Amino acid sequence: GAVVSQHPSRVICKSGTSVKIECRSLDFQATTMFWYRQFPKQSLMLMATSNEGSKATYEQGVEKDKFLINHASLTLSTLTVTSAHPEDSSFYICSANPGRVVFFGQGTRLTVV
Amino acid sequence: GESVGLHLPTLSVQEGDNSIINCAYSNSASDYFIWYKQESGKGPQFIIDIRSNMDKRQGQRVTVLLNKTVKHLSLQIAATQPGDSAVYFCAENKRAGGSYIPTFGRGTSLIVHP
Repeated sequence: GAVVSQHPSRVICKSGTSVKIECRSLDFQATTMFWYRQFPKQSLMLMATSNEGSKATYEQGVEKDKFLINHASLTLSTLTVTSAHPEDSSFYICSANPGRVVFFGQGTRLTVV
Repeated sequence: GESVGLHLPTLSVQEGDNSIINCAYSNSASDYFIWYKQESGKGPQFIIDIRSNMDKRQGQRVTVLLNKTVKHLSLQIAATQPGDSAVYFCAENKRAGGSYIPTFGRGTSLIVHP
């Protein structure tokens, strides 16, 4: 099946710093990618839709200035958590789809200390 | 749809038993459904899908049943193995511009005891 690669898989950062997470589609082009956040033992919560060449679309309640999304090419979207705080600690997952089936990255465990 | 803020229900089974995981969906217009498996610390993996014009689809050791009348999906896993322990999500696919985006159900944590 299609491969979506996410990097890094784990990151620990200090409060106040920014962290960038990359999501790549390895064997297909993706004009749209999606970013999710997942808390322990809960379902995936859609944060935003990343659109190649245009602004991302954010879900209600998600801070645009906190979670910066850039979709610079047809195979790469990045999520930057700016001025991170401990409450931003979570599991972040991206997805993309070459067809109807959506494929997910491996996820990134962010811990803010 | 999502049940953000609610903890996952758990299904515990013995190795070798059959498992049945249930899911209710909300949109009667949904025409495509997917089951995903998520292991701890990893992203969801595609298991099996089904279109709304079908009521049953079988894969390797897995079967998905769709009841459109009551908007209910189930995933049956035959001869459950310890490696099947994971969280299972059903998802309704909906179009988002030129793409598709899944709306996840609540999820069920499957625990397989050896």
